[in-house]
Amino acid sequence: GQQVQQSPTSLVLQEGENAELQCNFSTSLNSMQWFYQRPGGSLVSVFYNPSGTKQSGRLTSTTVIKERRSSLHISSSQITDSGTYLCAMAYQGGSAKLIFGEGTKLTVSS
Amino acid sequence: GPKVLQIPSHQIIDMGQMVTLNCDPVSNHLYFYWYKQILGQQMEFLVNFYNGKVMEKSKLFKDQFSVERPDGSYFTLKIQPTALEDSAVYFCASSLGDWGYEQYFGPGTRLTVL
Repeated sequence: GQQVQQSPTSLVLQEGENAELQCNFSTSLNSMQWFYQRPGGSLVSVFYNPSGTKQSGRLTSTTVIKERRSSLHISSSQITDSGTYLCAMAYQGGSAKLIFGEGTKLTVSS
Repeated sequence: GPKVLQIPSHQIIDMGQMVTLNCDPVSNHLYFYWYKQILGQQMEFLVNFYNGKVMEKSKLFKDQFSVERPDGSYFTLKIQPTALEDSAVYFCASSLGDWGYEQYFGPGTRLTVL
């Protein structure tokens, strides 16, 4: 079935380092979203990016449909970036449901 | 940005009781969703709803689950009766369209079944 694979599973950085999170999907997609999940569990939408590149502050998302991958780049990481990053996609030809990856747990220390 | 609200934020009930989770979607959105996340596990789709009907449901959407949105009010998820394995955080989402539209998520309702 349709799958979403995220890597790495976890990432530990020192403050100021950059992070590159990857999301690979197994079939053509209609939509791709990145979320940040706080340690308490609430979700924050980071990007809606079904194709191309989007930037917001220190965050950049790039989705390459032909290669079936999406990435989230965090530059100059801060301690407050710590948490879990989830990618989710809705596949083409299917329903509108989002299929989530298992997440990348990011820990940024001083 | 557009906000989805969920009430209550936390609910504790005894196994076998009925529970209703409420979602106030973005005002002009037409498609509504429920997702379930057991603590420490992956977020999973439960059901989506449009024009008064369930469009798709997953295997997790058991017979004890039902959804409705009477007269444009709250979009609700009812579980009757509840079971221990229903303990999870339930997220509501809404979107303007179906395929290719961004889904906006609420903060979640943490359900604890004792």
